[in-house]
Amino acid sequence: NAGVTQTPKFQVLKTGQSMTLQCAQDMNHNSMYWYRQDPGMGLRLIYYSASEGTTDKGEVPNGYNVSRLNKREFSLRLESAAPSQTSVYFCASTYPGTGDTEAFFGQGTRLTVV
Amino acid sequence: DQQVKQNSPSLSVQEGRISILNCDYTNSMFDYFLWYKKYPAEGPTFLISISSIKDKNEDGRFTVFLNKSAKHLSLHIVPSQPGDSAVYFCAALFNFNKFYFGSGTKLNVKP
Repeated sequence: NAGVTQTPKFQVLKTGQSMTLQCAQDMNHNSMYWYRQDPGMGLRLIYYSASEGTTDKGEVPNGYNVSRLNKREFSLRLESAAPSQTSVYFCASTYPGTGDTEAFFGQGTRLTVV
Repeated sequence: DQQVKQNSPSLSVQEGRISILNCDYTNSMFDYFLWYKKYPAEGPTFLISISSIKDKNEDGRFTVFLNKSAKHLSLHIVPSQPGDSAVYFCAALFNFNKFYFGSGTKLNVKP
């Protein structure tokens, strides 16, 4: 029972390079999210997808793009990485409803842009 | 502007005593409030939640209190254990679909 799986776990990029962070969940969840965690800032929402085929901007979407490839997978792309994007990135998923709704998180991707 | 705020970056408590972590929010339309626990190099894990229509929820050593008039919630851990040492994030759920997180409080429980 894998839950939410993120790849890679670590990455170092040079300024201007591009990369895609991958996320997959096996819990049949409808909603998926990308967050970044920075010291003193907590977890900030980059993009989310309420269902397959839909995506919406969160609090800090600039410099990122996302793709909800299918129900299981939600990728985050940095087209031209900048040092300000150095962060720990977390993917999460949930099955929204009217009851208790918790989000399940992946292990995180630590990205350094030099 | 942050909609969910945790104003204490850190808290140190003796083992066996009570830990109280606090959280304030600005949006009265949040549906649920949740607490997450995070260890280094791991993703956050769900701890406990409370519906916006309730004022208390208890699960073992963990109790969450919600004061809607003050837009304030708190997490009580009794008794605190060294294994509780972690970063605790408060989160609020909007429209049953969008989570907003606070900046976290690092709890250190001393043996």
